Amino acid sequence: DTEVTQTPKHLVMGMTNKKSLKCEQHMGHRAMYWYKQKAKKPPELMFVYSYEKLSINESVPSRFSPECPNSSLLNLHLHALQPEDSALYLCASSQGALGNEQFFGPGTRLTVL
Amino acid sequence: QKEVEQNSGPLSVPEGAIASLNCTYSDRVSQSFFWYRQYSGKSPELIMSIYSNGDKEDGRFTAQLNKASQYVSLLIRDSQPSDSATYLCAVHRGSTLGRLYFGRGTQLTVWP
Repeated sequence: DTEVTQTPKHLVMGMTNKKSLKCEQHMGHRAMYWYKQKAKKPPELMFVYSYEKLSINESVPSRFSPECPNSSLLNLHLHALQPEDSALYLCASSQGALGNEQFFGPGTRLTVL
Repeated sequence: QKEVEQNSGPLSVPEGAIASLNCTYSDRVSQSFFWYRQYSGKSPELIMSIYSNGDKEDGRFTAQLNKASQYVSLLIRDSQPSDSATYLCAVHRGSTLGRLYFGRGTQLTVWP
């Protein structure tokens, strides 16, 4: 089973709101990722967790805060976002973080008003 | 020079034809290569991975890797309208934990 689940599917929030995106995988993968994708662009890496530790933060603004409560779960906490943060947010997982296949979840379509 | 470049497309082929998608990469130490298919409004779906020189076939899909030329391609045989999507080439260097370098994607349209 190569399934990564994400909730919610769609999210609309104001610039003063706080919300969280959730991601879950049950494949026993030890690396999890957050990507941001704008229309007609490839996914942009935001964060990498390897063995539940933050391994890469791609200079993402602090209004995005990742959290990895356990090896199956990944959250992205959102606060004081800007309209330009509107995008498709993708979670992915892989067996390890060194060149393994990454499997994407369905994504959360975020709109910031 | 971009890390990963793809033929910009869009590419349009008739049903039943072979679609050829190409990708070049700049870093010689790259070790893992992936093709993702992305339908409009959906997330990327992994369709092929290749790690060593040569061809790898999976159903109607064949990935080809030539590390000397820093080139990876995807052939889709007997193209179907359902293959119409954007195809993303992604490359992983062995030394960079977790990072995939994506090309900009090639939009493929298969017309009946």
